[in-house]
Amino acid sequence: GQQLNQSPQSMFIQEGEDVSMNCTSSSIFNTWLWYKQEPGEGPVLLIALYKAGELTSNGRLTAQFGITRKDSFLNISASIPSDVGIYFCAGTKEETSGSRLTFGEGTQLTVNP
Amino acid sequence: SAVISQKPSRDICQRGTSLTIQCQVDSQVTMMFWYRQQPGQSLTLIATANQGSEATYESGFVIDKFPISRPNLTFSTLTVSNMSPEDSSIYLCSVRAGLAYEQYFGPGTRLTVT
Repeated sequence: GQQLNQSPQSMFIQEGEDVSMNCTSSSIFNTWLWYKQEPGEGPVLLIALYKAGELTSNGRLTAQFGITRKDSFLNISASIPSDVGIYFCAGTKEETSGSRLTFGEGTQLTVNP
Repeated sequence: SAVISQKPSRDICQRGTSLTIQCQVDSQVTMMFWYRQQPGQSLTLIATANQGSEATYESGFVIDKFPISRPNLTFSTLTVSNMSPEDSSIYLCSVRAGLAYEQYFGPGTRLTVT
């Protein structure tokens, strides 16, 4: 089963609002990745994080690799209707080898114009 | 990054039949993966497709049910065998490309078993 706790499960916001979502785990992670999936599509990689404390931006998106290496957050500023979709966190755990990704359960984002 | 295509994009199949899904990448990649995403759920790794050797399956998935081929560094297939309605899912191919553990996904194959 999933070992990444992602919250919130869903968000309903107004256009222009900022959004924050996060993932936590009891395990230490070497990598954190954030994906967005739109209906009928595969997940698209938004941001990749590789070092504890790392803060990375991609346009209106900002993500951070938690200092404890057990959590990460994603912020979206000034949301727009095309931000609608499911956002997944994923990571590679320190105790597993290879490139196996563990995924969170996803955050469903709805933006009202 | 990598550009990944999958065929078919969707299919409706009868129970007891098998479906082979193809995954094509626009560049040579070492590692390819197959995932399942059940309706409204997150992604679950089925197996890692290794070029030149047998696929490595995750707990709960077996080769007889999900045989995988990886004939070269740009192509892989996943077969869903002896299908039942519980196999209705999105099947996604992904590749490791770029830096370290970045994975890129294909558009998925939407399978409905009746």
